[in-house]
Amino acid sequence: SQQGEEDPQALSIQEGENATMNCSYKTSINNLQWYRQNSGRGLVHLILIRSNEREKHSGRLRVTLDTSKKSSSLLITASRAADTASYFCATVYQKVTFGTGTKLQVIP
Amino acid sequence: NAGVTQTPKFQVLKTGQSMTLQCAQDMNHEYMSWYRQDPGMGLRLIHYSVGAGITDQGEVPNGYNVSRSTTEDFPLRLLSAAPSQTSVYFCASSRGRPKNPSSYNEQFFGPGTRLTVL
Repeated sequence: SQQGEEDPQALSIQEGENATMNCSYKTSINNLQWYRQNSGRGLVHLILIRSNEREKHSGRLRVTLDTSKKSSSLLITASRAADTASYFCATVYQKVTFGTGTKLQVIP
Repeated sequence: NAGVTQTPKFQVLKTGQSMTLQCAQDMNHEYMSWYRQDPGMGLRLIHYSVGAGITDQGEVPNGYNVSRSTTEDFPLRLLSAAPSQTSVYFCASSRGRPKNPSSYNEQFFGPGTRLTVL
């Protein structure tokens, strides 16, 4: 079974709104990463948070990590139509495994 | 740098045929991996390698073989293709010291191979 599961599976918001995606995982991690995928292309790395960090920012992205709850969240602020994509979390512990993804649609 | 390259981009096989999906990277990355992506399933790890000569199984290894004779190349071999192996296959690589998994950072992905097994 997959290490990570994203929630919700799909999310539709208006441009300018914030989008929040959650990731739950099952075992210990060294770090957790978030990726974006456009229309079946290869994934692109967005941000990495280490197991001893609780929050990290990169531009309009904010990631939190709660290792006691084995969960992480990705917040995209002031969303744009170009943010429409699928977003995946990946957990790193001896190997890198991905979750099932959240499909985000930002409506102009 | 070409990054991570995969060939072919598209492939159609008949049930029972074998083939090799090629993956190469020119970034001197130690960690390489293969994933398959099916609708609604996200990416599932098939096999991975933490360095030349070292490979290990992922979540869905059955029906696939890998080898890592060089740092640059990590081919994935389908032994006897089945319709259930119809999928999009992605290869990825990253820096990482084999005995220190916490050093695995950003994964770089190839463009993918779209495989159909009839």
